[in-house]
Amino acid sequence: EVQLVQSGAEVKKPGESLKISCQGSGYSFGSYWIAWVRQTPEKGLEWMGRIYPGDSDSRYSPSFEGQVTISADKSITTTYLQWNTLKATDTAIYFCARERPQDGFDIWGQGTTVTVSS
Amino acid sequence: DIQMTQSPSTLSASVGDRVTMTCRASQFISSWLAWYQQKPGKAPKLLIYKESRLESGVPSRFSGSGSGTEFTLTISSLQPEDFATYYCLQYHTYSTFGQGTKVEIK
Repeated sequence: EVQLVQSGAEVKKPGESLKISCQGSGYSFGSYWIAWVRQTPEKGLEWMGRIYPGDSDSRYSPSFEGQVTISADKSITTTYLQWNTLKATDTAIYFCARERPQDGFDIWGQGTTVTVSS
Repeated sequence: DIQMTQSPSTLSASVGDRVTMTCRASQFISSWLAWYQQKPGKAPKLLIYKESRLESGVPSRFSGSGSGTEFTLTISSLQPEDFATYYCLQYHTYSTFGQGTKVEIK
C-alpha cells in the first residue's frame, strides 16, 4: 500500500524550533516530488513548497521562502518540514502529499497539527 | 502568482440533486487542474486530475470540465457521503488551491 505517515501533533511556544516528518512507503520514494501544504481556517490550503527526495532539490512558495526548510533523507524514505523560530501564526495543520507527475497530489499524509502558543 | 477563485463558497443541496461548482484561474492554466474532496479531520482526497480525468476508485457521478481558465466540478446525483468541502488545485505553475466550496445539507 502506498502511504505517507506523518509525525504526531506538536505544542510549542513562540520562538522554539520544530521539525516534523513524513515517511513514505509502498513506492519508489526517491522518484516522486513531495509537497508540504498548510491548512488554516483563515487561509485554507496553501502550498508551501516541494522536494525531490532523489536529489533533495527543493522549491518554495514565495510566501514561505526563508520561513521554513524542507529536507529529505532518502535512506529512511522521510521528508521533513522545519522551523527555526516558531510564531503563533504558524499554528495550523500541515500535510505532506505526493505529486504524481502531471496529475497533482495523489497521496496525502494524515496531517500534523502544530499549535504555537505561549 | 496564479490565483484560484471558487464559487459558491457554500452550496446547499439535497440527496439526489445535480450539483455544480466553479473554479476560475487568474491566468491560463491549460488542463493542469485537479479537484479534491475533504471531510472534517481528514486529508484531501483526489477526485479529478488533468481537468476531467477521474481518479481510480472515484464514483462516476463526479465529473470535471474546463476551458483553460474556468473549470467546473459536477456531481450528477448527490449522495449522503458527498457532503464535504471541495477544493480546486492548479498545478500549471507551482501549485495554488482555491478557497473551497462547502456542500451542505439543504
